[in-house]
Amino acid sequence: GIQVEQSPPDLILQEGANSTLRCNFSDSVNNLQWFHQNPWGQLINLFYIPSGTKQNGRLSATTVATERYSLLYISSSQTTDSGVYFCAVKETSGSRLTFGEGTQLTVNP
Amino acid sequence: EAQVTQNPRYLITVTGKKLTVTCSQNMNHEYMSWYRQDPGLGLRQIYYSMNVEVTDKGDVPEGYKVSRKEKRNFPLILESPSPNQTSLYFCASSLIWSGGYGTEAFFGQGTRLTVV
Repeated sequence: GIQVEQSPPDLILQEGANSTLRCNFSDSVNNLQWFHQNPWGQLINLFYIPSGTKQNGRLSATTVATERYSLLYISSSQTTDSGVYFCAVKETSGSRLTFGEGTQLTVNP
Repeated sequence: EAQVTQNPRYLITVTGKKLTVTCSQNMNHEYMSWYRQDPGLGLRQIYYSMNVEVTDKGDVPEGYKVSRKEKRNFPLILESPSPNQTSLYFCASSLIWSGGYGTEAFFGQGTRLTVV
């Protein structure tokens, strides 16, 4: 099956800093989503982005499907951004989302 | 509001006592699925359903049952829970993709299950 690798596994920032999270995948996909898992365990949809670039406030994402990677940008980070960020993909021939192992982000005040 | 609703949010039960975790979506989605999340193992799919009365196994189906009698509901049934089923469970739904394109998946709030 498809492999999904996220980097870095852990990231510690000071409030106000910017960061880039990366997701590499091993095969063609027709669905790519970024999620934020908050400290209460809830999975929050950030972006549905099988290709192209999207922005939502301080967050933006870019997926280059032909090169099999996606980037999540967080600008001016806040303590509430802390949590685990997951990338999930669905390969073209499959039916389920495959998740990466996540990036644990800690934003300190 | 478009949403996927799971109940209960938290459950502590004893080994062998049958339980059901409910999942309901109000977006008229055909595709529904269940995942479990465990430390070090990530999120893994348990079962999925492409439509009413159509279900299939995911990666880790052992010890679980599902049913899809109505489009909006997709309950997860543990006939005889064991401690290794202690986990965080998520239900998800999405439209069925067509023409080779996927669609956005929406997740419920999660159910934290402890089996003692």
